[in-house]
Amino acid sequence: DSGVTQTPKHLITATGQRVTLRCSPRSGDLSVYWYQQSLDQGLQFLIQYYNGEERAKGNILERFSAQQFPDLHSELNLSSLELGDSALYFCASSVTGRANEKLFFGSGTQLSVL
Amino acid sequence: GEDVEQSLFLSVREGDSSVINCTYTDSSSTYLYWYKQEPGAGLQLLTYIFSNMDMKQDQRLTVLLNKKDKHLSLRIADTQTGDSAIYFCAESSNQAGTALIFGKGTTLSVSS
Repeated sequence: DSGVTQTPKHLITATGQRVTLRCSPRSGDLSVYWYQQSLDQGLQFLIQYYNGEERAKGNILERFSAQQFPDLHSELNLSSLELGDSALYFCASSVTGRANEKLFFGSGTQLSVL
Repeated sequence: GEDVEQSLFLSVREGDSSVINCTYTDSSSTYLYWYKQEPGAGLQLLTYIFSNMDMKQDQRLTVLLNKKDKHLSLRIADTQTGDSAIYFCAESSNQAGTALIFGKGTTLSVSS
């Protein structure tokens, strides 16, 4: 158990809908990362937060947004969903978010868009 | 751009050694990582190597780094069926803040 909690584990929805994925980092970790894993693209970095502030952006679509709350949990919002958004979404956390820190991953949320 | 490349599949017999290879692009990466993903689970950090090292050994795992060729390998000695999983190589990236950039993963299949 990495200590990173993601909910829900599975989510099935329809195209055009909006969903929210939730992540609680390990106790004491201030930085949260979101990744998308799909068969064709592999693991793609989406976005990173540190102590409530956005720190880095990767390949995140404009239809997607995220935030980190004062209690350090994070939410990833996916809107106007398309079939191609079906993927496994991972959250990871690290202590300070500095370069070369180890990342600890949650078990992921499997999103299926029908 | 940045890219981490790995072969997609490796099949070995139980008891043999497995060698998973990776090439990376960012020569400024200070650490390079190997993660393991079992079915239905998240990524688990297996080991990492500091870029000024050539080799790191951790029980059955040996990591070799050739910085000149930007080549990283993971050797698993005495491979067991429980080692069957997807193995990801990762580097830190200046362009992605402090996030890690992952390869697409090598699926290791161990037969008894």
